Amino acid sequence: AQRVTQPEKLLSVFKGAPVELKCNYSYSGSPELFWYVQYSRQRLQLLLRHISRESIKGFTADLNKGETSFHLKKPFAQEEDSAMYYCALMDSNYQLIWGAGTKLIIKP
Amino acid sequence: NAGVMQNPRHLVRRRGQEARLRCSPMKGHSHVYWYRQLPEEGLKFMVYLQKENIIDESGMPKERFSAEFPKEGPSILRIQQVVRGDSAAYFCASSTAGDINTGELFFGEGSRLTVL
Repeated sequence: AQRVTQPEKLLSVFKGAPVELKCNYSYSGSPELFWYVQYSRQRLQLLLRHISRESIKGFTADLNKGETSFHLKKPFAQEEDSAMYYCALMDSNYQLIWGAGTKLIIKP
Repeated sequence: NAGVMQNPRHLVRRRGQEARLRCSPMKGHSHVYWYRQLPEEGLKFMVYLQKENIIDESGMPKERFSAEFPKEGPSILRIQQVVRGDSAAYFCASSTAGDINTGELFFGEGSRLTVL
């Protein structure tokens, strides 16, 4: 079955500390994975996609096929990173399958 | 470009009434997606539409739910005879034909339905 799992509903870290938001997936084909973010009072928006191998706002995510993971990382958290983060997998019909989301809180 | 517009933002209905949620995609976008988010859960795909066509409705409940995207006007998600379990946030997203396989969707702010 195709599934995206974000095991943490809530993650709280101090400003300046490293952040890792976990995402695991289950998919039989070659996965395309994404991270979306929703800042307070804003719309859900694309943060980054694995195929682009890009770093956005200091965040990176590496696809690990052996561990079926696509964890989102940032070495030094900033207060403006506080948001809801969703991991998503695109299936063969170009539909996105979503994780339940992780609420990230950066403490000052 | 105002982005994807959804209305109403909040809707309260009593059991048995009808709920209509509207979504105007971004200018130039011809693909619309509806998602439902239940409390404490992720987004669940409901339906994917292009103008005047339902492309994929595999996520739509078989009864009471319907969606349309007419040639003119917004896309509408209609829920007949609502029940308490329909209480959720309903999100609309749009894309261009070229965005489909990039995974980038542009979301509205959502419509929160509460069934009393």
